[in-house]
Amino acid sequence: DGGITQSPKYLFRKEGQNVTLSCEQNLNHDAMYWYRQDPGQGLRLIYYSQIVNDFQKGDIAEGYSVSREKKESFPLTVTSAQKNPTAFYLCASSLGTWEGPMAKNIQYFGAGTRLSVL
Amino acid sequence: GDSVTQMEGPVTLSEEAFLTINCTYTATGYPSLFWYVQYPGEGLQLLLKATKADDKGSNKGFEATYRKETTSFHLEKGSVQVSDSAVYFCALTWGYQKVTFGTGTKLQVIP
Repeated sequence: DGGITQSPKYLFRKEGQNVTLSCEQNLNHDAMYWYRQDPGQGLRLIYYSQIVNDFQKGDIAEGYSVSREKKESFPLTVTSAQKNPTAFYLCASSLGTWEGPMAKNIQYFGAGTRLSVL
Repeated sequence: GDSVTQMEGPVTLSEEAFLTINCTYTATGYPSLFWYVQYPGEGLQLLLKATKADDKGSNKGFEATYRKETTSFHLEKGSVQVSDSAVYFCALTWGYQKVTFGTGTKLQVIP
């Protein structure tokens, strides 16, 4: 079945440590996204990528980094510079913008990774 | 900028009750509107969508009508079930812009 796989489901970070969250999709989608979800705040966009080897900052990119070396993969690194990393992280994908705006608009989400600080 | 405002939750209903979750939006263009649902411990799933004024999106007994005159996209269901307990997000996008999500409304249905 096609879909988006996030791993791990739960992750713990120690002080000063970088951690990487995995996101893989087999939907053949060009665009991928990372969101952070905090209670009562909805979803906030961290980074997005519309094509391989290209990505843009979202609304809250500070303390995070990403790469897009393969179409299927969009890993997110939470660096030690992110002082409040505890949250639920969601990865999503959609068809590329050149498929037309409506194709891009529908996003497909993974099951999420819950990150906590030790 | 674009924004989506949802009614505060949580909303607690008895099984078979009528559901309305209000959503209003502000956008500079002519947006497409969406409702996503998030079940406990999972990611979001698209529930329904509408792409232009007066369109009605529907799925699994849920409905929402795109009202341009009131800039609203309220979610309704005639008879909720315990399995509908989840968090519901209203969202919009237009052109090639990013998707803007509301803060979510938690629904709890009790038997």
